[in-house]
Amino acid sequence: GQSLEQPSEVTAVEGAIVQMNCTYQTSGFYGLSWYQQHDGGAPTFLSYNALDGLEETGRFSSFLSRSDSYGYLLLQELQMKDSASYFCSGGGATNKLIFGTGTLLAVQP
Amino acid sequence: DVKVTQSSRYLVKRTGEKVFLECVQDMDHENMFWYRQDPGLGLRLIYFSYDVKMKEKGDIPEGYSVSREKKERFSLILESASTNQTSMYLCASKTGTGATDEQYFGPGTRLTVT
Repeated sequence: GQSLEQPSEVTAVEGAIVQMNCTYQTSGFYGLSWYQQHDGGAPTFLSYNALDGLEETGRFSSFLSRSDSYGYLLLQELQMKDSASYFCSGGGATNKLIFGTGTLLAVQP
Repeated sequence: DVKVTQSSRYLVKRTGEKVFLECVQDMDHENMFWYRQDPGLGLRLIYFSYDVKMKEKGDIPEGYSVSREKKERFSLILESASTNQTSMYLCASKTGTGATDEQYFGPGTRLTVT
């Protein structure tokens, strides 16, 4: 079956760098996206990787290796407001996307 | 500004009731989705629609149906609510069919079935 695996929790301190991983088991994946969800809020889009390699958007970077079925989201210069859940999402040629179970990031002062 | 709205933030229904969850988007998006979100399970796709009157099953369609009579509106229907349908329900929309196209989510409806 298709699935995306993410660690359930990560803790880091303000100002640090954190990497959140996503491994997937599926065939025909066309890319990986990342969403952020604050407690009680709606998921919001952060970034995507349609090709292998690193994509950078400000403090956020996302990486994809399709040969390894692996990706990660990197957050730099962590801020307290980055405390949230982060979901990876992927899919094939159709609209049927699959979401990972999410990683809860706790940023400590 | 892009907007997806859902009819209720919180809803409490009794077992066996018919429940309607409404979602409206103002972005003229072709594609709309209904997910449910449960702790530890992430977001699971219930149904999606790629055009008016068109629908496709997601991963967990059992016990649900959908309706899309107008492009901007996508309704999720629980024909006979059960306690295992207590969950957070999220609606989303996007344009295009690419797997990495940005999805815009509504604020969610927290449904409790007693």
